[in-house]
Amino acid sequence: KQEVTQIPAALSVPEGENLVLNCSFTDSAIYNLQWFRQDPGKGLTSLLLIQSSQREQTSGRLNASLDKSSGRSTLYIAASQPGDSATYLCAVKDAGNMLTFGGGTRLMVKP
Amino acid sequence: GAGVSQSPRYKVAKRGQDVALRCDPISGHVSLFWYQQALGQGPEFLTYFQNEAQLDKSGLPSDRFFAERPEGSVSTLKIQRTQQEDSAVYLCASSSYPGGETQYFGPGTRLLVL
Repeated sequence: KQEVTQIPAALSVPEGENLVLNCSFTDSAIYNLQWFRQDPGKGLTSLLLIQSSQREQTSGRLNASLDKSSGRSTLYIAASQPGDSATYLCAVKDAGNMLTFGGGTRLMVKP
Repeated sequence: GAGVSQSPRYKVAKRGQDVALRCDPISGHVSLFWYQQALGQGPEFLTYFQNEAQLDKSGLPSDRFFAERPEGSVSTLKIQRTQQEDSAVYLCASSSYPGGETQYFGPGTRLLVL
């Protein structure tokens, strides 16, 4: 059974810092890996999707990398802003179509 | 529609009551998923529909949980004889085709069982 772990569980940084969120998964037979953002009381917003054949994806200040063989992904956020404060979730998709999520990293960016 | 919608947004139930949670997926989306998210945790898969067919219900925690999508569009998740451990946010997601890369999530229904 696929298991996804995210470290750290919570992170508080001052505005402007660059930061890295980590995600690991136990079964490397994935189709893709996705990073989501969740704001309190809201649904999930997809940030980046990396296919299993890809190494990284970039969108604005966000960069996600994937090392499928070692079962790891990182989400890099450059020049963090208070508006980046949210919970970030990593999820992998396998042959079963559903997503398996990690527990999330709660990020607080202080002005 | 513009996105996935869910109703009600909040539901308070007394232990033992039955509840029904509704999901309206994006129009035309073939695949529909239900997830359960406990406080402070990531979402966990409950069940998956392709059109009206329930292809995977391996995540349903007990036989008190039942989901249907009779016309391949709107879906209802029903929980019978609710218990306190059922308190969670129930998220619905849809994707345009089977194996579709992107699942679009609704805002969720927050269920509190007292």
